Amino acid sequence: DQQVKQNSPSLSVQEGRISILNCDYTNSMFDYFLWYKKYPAEGPTFLISISSIKDKNEDGRFTVFLNKSAKHLSLHIVPSQPGDSAVYFCAARNNNDMRFGAGTRLTVKP
Amino acid sequence: GAGVSQSPRYKVAKRGQDVALRCDPISGHVSLFWYQQALGQGPEFLTYFQNEAQLDKSGLPSDRFFAERPEGSVSTLKIQRTQQEDSAVYLCASSSYSGGMTDEQYFGPGTRLTVT
Repeated sequence: DQQVKQNSPSLSVQEGRISILNCDYTNSMFDYFLWYKKYPAEGPTFLISISSIKDKNEDGRFTVFLNKSAKHLSLHIVPSQPGDSAVYFCAARNNNDMRFGAGTRLTVKP
Repeated sequence: GAGVSQSPRYKVAKRGQDVALRCDPISGHVSLFWYQQALGQGPEFLTYFQNEAQLDKSGLPSDRFFAERPEGSVSTLKIQRTQQEDSAVYLCASSSYSGGMTDEQYFGPGTRLTVT
């Protein structure tokens, strides 16, 4: 059962514009949500996270929004840069049980 | 080294062979996780260690999969009698585990296993 879903396998945006990556989850027990970024031939690296008691967390160009009632979170990247091109994984945690989405490949065009 | 390392980076095995995949976590990290990532999918949890204790192995897909971390540092994931469906990238992650849910997991580069 896929408890974390990223329904868009790919996204292409122009440099300088906003990138919005979406993620949905089904398990209401998840209480911590993370975004990971992955370059080819490397492991995922942590990008930003949010606790279930918050609805927004911002870190520089990256902002994560959480809508608990809709079981939906999104990652906004503004402004997008070519170096942001990578696969982005959404993850949801309940203690040490962490589930990942299938990933969205973001391409930022110069 | 500064990060999590895994070896080998690539492994080709004939169906039926046994393989052993190694993970060197970040020094001092208490928690260690193994994930399996199939092509086009996100990582899926296999097992979790806290020091040398294997606290959760609920994600191991069959009894052909076995993981150990005898001294609470390096870990080995062993797959016996490999099958084609075992082909995947195997990721190892470690965290310092202060007991809080915000403990970040640091991932290694993974071992790509291809079973022919």
